[in-house]
Amino acid sequence: SAVISQKPSRDICQRGTSLTIQCQVDSQVTMMFWYRQQPGQSLTLIATANQGSEATYESGFVIDKFPISRPNLTFSTLTVSNMSPEDSSIYLCSVHEGGFHYGYTFGSGTRLTVV
Amino acid sequence: AQSVAQPEDQVNVAEGNPLTVKCTYSVSGNPYLFWYVQYPNRGLQFLLKYITGDNLVKGSYGFEAEFNKSQTSFHLKKPSALVSDSALYFCAVRDGNDYKLSFGAGTTVTVRA
Repeated sequence: SAVISQKPSRDICQRGTSLTIQCQVDSQVTMMFWYRQQPGQSLTLIATANQGSEATYESGFVIDKFPISRPNLTFSTLTVSNMSPEDSSIYLCSVHEGGFHYGYTFGSGTRLTVV
Repeated sequence: AQSVAQPEDQVNVAEGNPLTVKCTYSVSGNPYLFWYVQYPNRGLQFLLKYITGDNLVKGSYGFEAEFNKSQTSFHLKKPSALVSDSALYFCAVRDGNDYKLSFGAGTTVTVRA
C-alpha cells in the first residue's frame, strides 16, 4: 500500500500565525483527504483535496481558514491560517487506494499546539 | 448520510482473555467498513476491512471482525488479548456511493497484565 510522509510531525505556533502541513505519497493516488483530530476526539474530515481544482470542504470548514493545494497526484498541503488555541489538534492526511490494496492509508499526523 | 457508533468509551480486559470492541453503522447504500488502531503520538494503522464476501474478516495482529447486516454491526474481536493491544480503536464506514469515511468516537482498550 501507499506510504505517506507527513511534515512536520509536530509544531508549537503563536496565535495569529499560519502553518503549512505537507503530505507526500510514494505513488499516484486519486483521492486525498485532510482530517482533524481534536484532543480526546475522533477524526473529522476537513476536506477532499482535488488535483488541479479547488478542494471540497465539509460543513464547518472554509477555504480561508484551511487553504489546501494539490498540485499533482502525489502531493498536497494544508495550511491552518490565523491560528488560535482552538486549532490545537492533530492533523492527518489520508489517501484512498483501489485495487488489491483497497482502502485508506493515513499519514503519521501533525500535532499542532497553538499558544 | 452515514454514521458510526462505538457505544463503549473504554474496554478493560485481562491479558489472555477475549477482547471485543463494538461498532454499529448506518449507511444508505452498501457499507464499506474499516477498523483502525491508534497508538499514542502515532497515526492510524489499518487493521481490517469488509468490502464484500465472507462476513468474518481476518486482519492484522490476530484481530478479526464479523459483518452482521441484519444488526448493522461490525464488532472487532481478538481471542486472546495482549498488553501491547492497549490503544485507541476506531471503526469507520463509507457508503458505497461516496469516498468519504465517517469515524466512530473511538474506544480505548486497556489490557492489564
